[in-house]
Amino acid sequence: GDSVTQMEGPVTLSEEAFLTINCTYTATGYPSLFWYVQYPGEGLQLLLKATKADDKGSNKGFEATYRKETTSFHLEKGSVQVSDSAVYFCALITGFQKLVFGTGTRLLVSP
Amino acid sequence: DARVTQTPRHKVTEMGQEVTMRCQPILGHNTVFWYRQTMMQGLELLAYFRNRAPLDDSGMPKDRFSAEMPDATLATLKIQPSEPRDSAVYFCASGGDVITGELFFGEGSRLTVL
Repeated sequence: GDSVTQMEGPVTLSEEAFLTINCTYTATGYPSLFWYVQYPGEGLQLLLKATKADDKGSNKGFEATYRKETTSFHLEKGSVQVSDSAVYFCALITGFQKLVFGTGTRLLVSP
Repeated sequence: DARVTQTPRHKVTEMGQEVTMRCQPILGHNTVFWYRQTMMQGLELLAYFRNRAPLDDSGMPKDRFSAEMPDATLATLKIQPSEPRDSAVYFCASGGDVITGELFFGEGSRLTVL
């Protein structure tokens, strides 16, 4: 079935470092892809999305490009802040309009 | 400020007791999802509804879990009887008619079963 695989965490970085969180997917057809973020004690919220191949989603300095040839949607940010510490979830939407999440990657940013 | 509201935020109960969690989706949203989050399993989809009809509850243990939408403003998730392995954070999320992937999550109900 449709699925998402994320790199395991935690990812530990110093402030202003470059961030990459890898995400690959398996799906029938051409799903839309998403990154959600969960801050401590809160529910998930949409960070960015891309609906077709070569689209780039971006928000709050984060970016991800939909790569059909490598079935990937890696999350990047050029300079992380302490406030970016959270759990990041890659997700896709299936033909049954069901959102399928990866296992999440915890990011810890130290000053 | 529209938001998904879940109650209770925290619940501690003993094994064997019935637990009911409630969710008020955002007004106008007609899809509702229940997810369970644990350290070991991550985020699992339990059930989802569109226009109050259950579309998929294959992720839910049928013998003890049940999910319903008695009306458009209320979704419930019931566990009877509860077991320690049900301890988790349960999230409700709602979305608009055309699923674009943007779900709005509640703050979750943290359940501890002793």
